[in-house]
Amino acid sequence: GAVVSQHPSWVICKSGTSVKIECRSLDFQATTMFWYRQFPKQSLMLMATSNEGSKATYEQGVEKDKFLINHASLTLSTLTVTSAHPEDSSFYICSAGGGINYEQYFGPGTRLTVT
Amino acid sequence: GENVEQHPSTLSVQEGDSAVIKCTYSDSASNYFPWYKQELGKRPQLIIDIRSNVGEKKDQRIAVTLNKTAKHFSLHITETQPEDSAVYFCAAANNNDMRFGAGTRLTVKP
Repeated sequence: GAVVSQHPSWVICKSGTSVKIECRSLDFQATTMFWYRQFPKQSLMLMATSNEGSKATYEQGVEKDKFLINHASLTLSTLTVTSAHPEDSSFYICSAGGGINYEQYFGPGTRLTVT
Repeated sequence: GENVEQHPSTLSVQEGDSAVIKCTYSDSASNYFPWYKQELGKRPQLIIDIRSNVGEKKDQRIAVTLNKTAKHFSLHITETQPEDSAVYFCAAANNNDMRFGAGTRLTVKP
């Protein structure tokens, strides 16, 4: 399968600050990237879908002004958590997709802890 | 939108036994059904998938069956090994719109 990297793997930040997470598709051009959030022992919850060069489509209940997504190229998407609060602490995972078969390949995830 | 239900939430089997995880979905337009294995703190890994034009697919000890009429699909793992222990997620997708089940924690006891 495709190789997807994510950076950083973990981050601790103070409440009120912003954090940027990068997702890179290393060996194929991902026309679509997805951002998920996963709480401990729970499933993956889709936050937003982004297509290269266009605005992201956010799921209901996800604040687009708080979770800024940019998909500037076929290999890079970023998620910025703005004005982070402790309740934003979670495991954030991106995936790359958009191929003709619609498979998604996941990044290793970023564990965000907001203190 | 799509709603995927997955059962059981936990499953414990003896090494060498078979494990079966079942999922149902609601959107008849869904046409792609992957299964992911996730170990603690790691990324979900695609282990097998099936498309709506196929009823069954097998890859060594893993098989998936799909019943489109009933809108359910299942993962079968035979000859389980301790390294099969993980959380397994099913998903149903209508092209790029993929929704996940709640997950099944599989424990294989040696």
